Amino acid sequence: EPEVTQTPSHQVTQMGQEVILRCVPISNHLYFYWYRQILGQKVEFLVSFYNNEISEKSEIFDDQFSVERPDGSNFTLKIRSTKLEDSAMYFCASTEGSEQTQYFGPGTRLLVL
Amino acid sequence: GQNIDQPTEMTATEGAIVQINCTYQTSGFNGLFWYQQHAGEAPTFLSYNVLDGLEEKGRFSSFLSRSKGYSYLLLKELQMKDSASYLCAVRSYNTDKLIFGTGTRLQVFP
Repeated sequence: EPEVTQTPSHQVTQMGQEVILRCVPISNHLYFYWYRQILGQKVEFLVSFYNNEISEKSEIFDDQFSVERPDGSNFTLKIRSTKLEDSAMYFCASTEGSEQTQYFGPGTRLLVL
Repeated sequence: GQNIDQPTEMTATEGAIVQINCTYQTSGFNGLFWYQQHAGEAPTFLSYNVLDGLEEKGRFSSFLSRSKGYSYLLLKELQMKDSASYLCAVRSYNTDKLIFGTGTRLQVFP
């Protein structure tokens, strides 16, 4: 069964460093998302992406964040200058159509020291 | 504003039935999802309701009442592996983002 994959599974970084989180969505899916979950808190929407552009972003998704689909398979989330409060689990999700079910990847646990 | 409420924790016994409730207040409504999340893992899709009524999928069923802003997830014949968090998520009109509740942590005891 096709699934969303994410790398790395864990990332530890120093405050102020840049990180890139990678996702490979399910191959026939067209809509891509990033969510995050701070430990013990709820899953929060960051950004949605369709047709090579951002379709919606939350207030969390400020100028430090960017997304890219550099080729036909990868979807990346970049945090330019990480802060302590960026420590969270980051989930990528994808769906065939905007009103279809979103399927989540296994997540990247980011720890900013 | 958007608000989704679920109980924080529930406990149940193996083999029993448990009902997890979710109430929501959102600006428009375009579907409600239930996901299961084991600790440290990704949410996995369980069920979807967009019309009123009951959707059944094996041991899991989900119910929706749009007029009441209410849904429940019913788990039958509980197994130890059902110990997890259950997340209620709502999608509004003109957006495809999901708004999640805080989740209900279910513990199943032998």
